[in-house]
Amino acid sequence: EAQVTQNPRYLITVTGKKLTVTCSQNMNHEYMSWYRQDPGLGLRQIYYSMNVEVTDKGDVPEGYKVSRKEKRNFPLILESPSPNQTSLYFCASRTGAGTEAFFGQGTRLTVV
Amino acid sequence: EDQVTQSPEALRLQEGESSSLNCSYTVSGLRGLFWYRQDPGKGPEFLFTLYSAGEEKEKERLKATLTKKESFLHITAPKPEDSATYLCAVQAYNFNKFYFGSGTKLNVKP
Repeated sequence: EAQVTQNPRYLITVTGKKLTVTCSQNMNHEYMSWYRQDPGLGLRQIYYSMNVEVTDKGDVPEGYKVSRKEKRNFPLILESPSPNQTSLYFCASRTGAGTEAFFGQGTRLTVV
Repeated sequence: EDQVTQSPEALRLQEGESSSLNCSYTVSGLRGLFWYRQDPGKGPEFLFTLYSAGEEKEKERLKATLTKKESFLHITAPKPEDSATYLCAVQAYNFNKFYFGSGTKLNVKP
């Protein structure tokens, strides 16, 4: 089954404790992105990747890092999480520049 | 500034009562406009892509249209299973950047 898999689905952590949210897709897609979803603000793009070792900032990259060492994986790293990073995070992948995105199930992160 | 605005924020309909959702945008160099459906606790699911003014797409009870300033998602004779949040996203001149509206939460009562 074609899918985008995120882990974990739920995470509660403390301020400053480094964490990684994993994202994996099995569709051989070149493009992958990370979004955060907050009430009233919609989905906002954090980072995106056009291919292995090629990444760029979206609209809200501060406090986040990404890496793309393999085509299927695109982890999101929070080196020092803060409470304002409490949010619902989605990973997405797509085949080409103008195509629709396939989203993961989301990771609900709470930073206390 | 690139911006996407959806209205209304929430919409309650009786089963069978047709209506429309609006997505207005100001984007430099629109490449494409996407509609997604999002159910509680799940990621958005793709519905339609529109690329140029005048284009229309249909799927079951849903029909999406596009003008130079806005898009509409028309829902004809909705059923309770159509209840969800509908998201609009625009792809700007930079192919890799997408801007989402905050969504319209649709509730269809039987």
